[in-house]
Amino acid sequence: EDQVTQSPEALRLQEGESSSLNCSYTVSGLRGLFWYRQDPGKGPEFLFTLYSAGEEKEKERLKATLTKKESFLHITAPKPEDSATYLCAVLGGSNYKLTFGKGTLLTVNP
Amino acid sequence: NAGVTQTPKFQVLKTGQSMTLQCAQDMNHNSMYWYRQDPGMGLRLIYYSASEGTTDKGEVPNGYNVSRLNKREFSLRLESAAPSQTSVYFCASSTDVGGGGYTFGSGTRLTVV
Repeated sequence: EDQVTQSPEALRLQEGESSSLNCSYTVSGLRGLFWYRQDPGKGPEFLFTLYSAGEEKEKERLKATLTKKESFLHITAPKPEDSATYLCAVLGGSNYKLTFGKGTLLTVNP
Repeated sequence: NAGVTQTPKFQVLKTGQSMTLQCAQDMNHNSMYWYRQDPGMGLRLIYYSASEGTTDKGEVPNGYNVSRLNKREFSLRLESAAPSQTSVYFCASSTDVGGGGYTFGSGTRLTVV
């Protein structure tokens, strides 16, 4: 069974303080790893798809990287508007559904 | 573009009542999904529809039924609501099943008392 573990559960940063979120996964035949952002009271918003180890994707202050066992979401010089819950999900080769982690709640203080 | 539209946004039910959650997408996506999100549990798949005319069980299907009414619409029905079904329900769609760049609706917050 596919499994996704995100750490830390919560992270509090000062504006401008760079950090990383971790997503560790166990999957049979990775077909894709996905990052989503979720704001309070809203549905998840798609950010990135990574398909193979070594791949990187960037969007504004966010950069996602992938190894064979984990993915990192690097946040450079975050702003308060980056505060949200960040979700990681994997799509394995044995089924057609995304398996989500429980998320990391990021708070960026001004 | 509206994307994925869910109705209602909020609902309170009494134990044993029934209701249908509605979902519609305007992106011409083939696949649609229903998830529930609970504190500490993350998003869990209830049912999905790979394409019009097909539906399959997900991780937590008990107590729910679904209907893929047409390509645009995918409804979730609770026949006899229980307090354990208190949750936030999200509908999502994607180009095809296995395409993980899902577009999610804004959710339905359901409370069963």
